[in-house]
Amino acid sequence: GQQLNQSPQSMFIQEGEDVSMNCTSSSIFNTWLWYKQDPGEGPVLLIALYKAGELTSNGRLTAQFGITRKDSFLNISASIPSDVGIYFCAGRSWIQGAQKLVFGQGTRLTINP
Amino acid sequence: KAGVTQTPRYLIKTRGQQVTLSCSPISGHRSVSWYQQTPGQGLQFLFEYFSETQRNKGNFPGRFSGRQFSNSRSEMNVSTLELGDSALYLCASSKDNSYEQYFGPGTRLTVT
Repeated sequence: GQQLNQSPQSMFIQEGEDVSMNCTSSSIFNTWLWYKQDPGEGPVLLIALYKAGELTSNGRLTAQFGITRKDSFLNISASIPSDVGIYFCAGRSWIQGAQKLVFGQGTRLTINP
Repeated sequence: KAGVTQTPRYLIKTRGQQVTLSCSPISGHRSVSWYQQTPGQGLQFLFEYFSETQRNKGNFPGRFSGRQFSNSRSEMNVSTLELGDSALYLCASSKDNSYEQYFGPGTRLTVT
């Protein structure tokens, strides 16, 4: 089935540093979504991308829909302690005749103060 | 606008028992999807309901079932619980034609 390769799996950074993570696939997606999950909570939608090449920002977060429609990246600028958590990408496409969301395995972000 | 709510938040069951989890979507959202999240497998899609009909289904055994009511609230049921069913069960809702899914806080199920 379709899979998303999300990297890196984990990141250990200093407060104030910029962060970059990405998702790639061998399949084409129509939509890319980025989520953040805090421990014991459900994922929270950060950014939604609908067009190839689209670049969207949400505060210090910026995400892009890759031109090939097979990848997306998320950048966080000037990280702060509350950025700690697990970030998931999700891609929407047709799978077995139905629109489905496929999730990456997540990037765990840890920030050293 | 209130977010997605799930009840209960925590549940402990014994092998062989059955369990029912509940999800109330965001007002106006007609699509409800269910996911199982475990440390080893990540987010795994269970099924999606739209207007009381199951629209999509993941690769889970028949012990996992769900339904949606006319007010869009949804329930999922797991029968004959196994230890491996211990997980965080997440519900997500979205508008009719939007795939921006909004998640609830989840139900943490522990099977002993």
